[in-house]
Amino acid sequence: EAGVVQSPRYKIIEKKQPVAFWCNPISGHNTLYWYLQNLGQGPELLIRYENEEAVDDSQLPKDRFSAERLKGVDSTLKIQPAELGDSAVYLCASSLFQGSNEQFFGPGTRLTVL
Amino acid sequence: GQQVMQIPQYQHVQEGEDFTTYCNSSTTLSNIQWYKQRPGGHPVFLIQLVKSGEVKKQKRLTFQFGEAKKNSSLHITATQTTDVGTYFCAGPYQGGSEKLVFGKGTKLTVNP
Repeated sequence: EAGVVQSPRYKIIEKKQPVAFWCNPISGHNTLYWYLQNLGQGPELLIRYENEEAVDDSQLPKDRFSAERLKGVDSTLKIQPAELGDSAVYLCASSLFQGSNEQFFGPGTRLTVL
Repeated sequence: GQQVMQIPQYQHVQEGEDFTTYCNSSTTLSNIQWYKQRPGGHPVFLIQLVKSGEVKKQKRLTFQFGEAKKNSSLHITATQTTDVGTYFCAGPYQGGSEKLVFGKGTKLTVNP
């Protein structure tokens, strides 16, 4: 069974530029999460989807961040415009259903904003 | 706001020594999860504890959930170089929601 797929794995951009990250969760997983992980910190939830519905986006900085999960499968997270402080690893995770024990994380996208 | 705290932040041991990391929550938790992240890797689920006072073992790893369901520990017996990584605990936001709050993790290094 394939795991959570993310692309790109690495991205370097200049500040004020837009950037997008893509995630393909494990097949059949209804719940999808986007996390932000800074160096030396634990993952912090940005947004959680149940199928195509964003059920928790309270931590998503909506002035510059947006996300979508069309058809309840793949998801895209976008930052526009990027700021220096956005440099971090962006992790996507999925779980079978809301309340499922285990979250399966993808390899992440390491973003560097210059 | 809710805090999930882990100590120590770093631990360096000689191969064969034991290792323990502690997790404390500012709120009572319905469950607690543990994840391991290898250097350069992503978090991987290890276990979930649900019951007060629960103890679970996975080979050399022993997980405990406190009686008050506000603290937890992970103990590794006779560490090996393959144990290297950062161990995170995570609890539900405000004790019982679907949102997980992760601690900052304990980074374990093992000297062969």
